[in-house]
Amino acid sequence: AQSVTQLGSHVSVSEGTPVLLRCNYSSSYSPSLFWYVQHPNKGLQLLLKYTSAATLVKGINGFEAEFKKSETSFHLTKPSAHMSDAAEYFCVVGFSGNTGKLIFGQGTTLQVKP
Amino acid sequence: EPEVTQTPSHQVTQMGQEVILRCVPISNHLYFYWYRQILGQKVEFLVSFYNNEISEKSEIFDDQFSVERPDGSNFTLKIRSTKLEDSAMYFCASSVTEGGTGELFFGEGSRLTVL
Repeated sequence: AQSVTQLGSHVSVSEGTPVLLRCNYSSSYSPSLFWYVQHPNKGLQLLLKYTSAATLVKGINGFEAEFKKSETSFHLTKPSAHMSDAAEYFCVVGFSGNTGKLIFGQGTTLQVKP
Repeated sequence: EPEVTQTPSHQVTQMGQEVILRCVPISNHLYFYWYRQILGQKVEFLVSFYNNEISEKSEIFDDQFSVERPDGSNFTLKIRSTKLEDSAMYFCASSVTEGGTGELFFGEGSRLTVL
């Protein structure tokens, strides 16, 4: 069975400090991995994706994530948080040949304090 | 920038009533999806749709649910007889390629409240 676990439902950082949002997955297949962000009253937006190319993936707004197969992890990082990064972040798993049935983690709310 | 649009943004209905949630996917996309998120729970897959037929559906997507692409632009989700537990945020999404490895573009969601 495939599953996604995000460690920490709520993360709080100060503006200008690094961001680390943790994600671990469980899969019987080679997964594609995504991070989506949802700002208040907005739809889900793709931040970045890993689909078996480079293990370090760069996304929008300075975010990046590293696929570590040995640790079954896909943690999201950013060197310096900005107030506009405050949102909910979802780690998501998909599979080739799977017709769009993405599996979502429970989400992590990122709070950025001034 | 093209986007997925959903209407209504919020609908309140009585238990047992029929509800139709509407979505306009991005125009050159071929794959369409509905997901939902019950308050405090994970976003869950409901159904995927390609070439005018359902590609895959979850166990949630029972006979009370149906999807349709009536006119080549809209993509609708119908709930025939709503239950209290259908209260959730419903997200429509579309993609150019098959969704498992490609990017899904999501709408802002339709919040359904069943009383």
